[in-house]
Amino acid sequence: SQKIEQNSEALNIQEGKTATLTCNYTNYSPAYLQWYRQDPGRGPVFLLLIRENEKEKRKERLKVTFDTTLKQSLFHITASQPADSATYLCALGYGNKLVFGAGTILRVKS
Amino acid sequence: AAGVIQSPRHLIKEKRETATLKCYPIPRHDTVYWYQQGPGQDPQFLISFYEKMQSDKGSIPDRFSAQQFSDYHSELNMSSLELGDSALYFCASSLRASGETQYFGPGTRLLVL
Repeated sequence: SQKIEQNSEALNIQEGKTATLTCNYTNYSPAYLQWYRQDPGRGPVFLLLIRENEKEKRKERLKVTFDTTLKQSLFHITASQPADSATYLCALGYGNKLVFGAGTILRVKS
Repeated sequence: AAGVIQSPRHLIKEKRETATLKCYPIPRHDTVYWYQQGPGQDPQFLISFYEKMQSDKGSIPDRFSAQQFSDYHSELNMSSLELGDSALYFCASSLRASGETQYFGPGTRLLVL
């Protein structure tokens, strides 16, 4: 069956450290993968998109990798700040359709 | 910059009633998507429209229907509401020619009593 798995437990890290979030999927072959941030009761906010032929993308303190052989994407936030605390969703893309994972709660403590 | 607008932001309905949710995409965006997010759940894709035509269909119940109008705004009509329909409903929009990034609205919180 098709499945998207993200860190099931909340990730608690200290301010200034690098947060690494994982997105694994099975029985999907997405053309691209996106990462979104969602705060409680609010809509997801787009962060990064990476295509199947790309290995790595960066944007400011954010980095995403995409390994289509392992069927895994890693999302890194360097020099994390308490304001980075939120739920992070990975979404697999097919054409213009997105399939979301359940998300990982990140808590950055000062 | 203008964002996706959804109305109403909150809605309370009784079982078996109907509800209409509205979405106004970012100006010039030609594609609209609807998602349902239950408590503690990931957003589930319901349906999408491109240039006023349905382009993709997800897990949208038969009791729900949607359309996109000539001004590109979209409405999600929900009939015979059930308790399980209580959720956050998000609309997202994109410009197909610019790629796949979807921009989400603030959502409508629907509570069915």
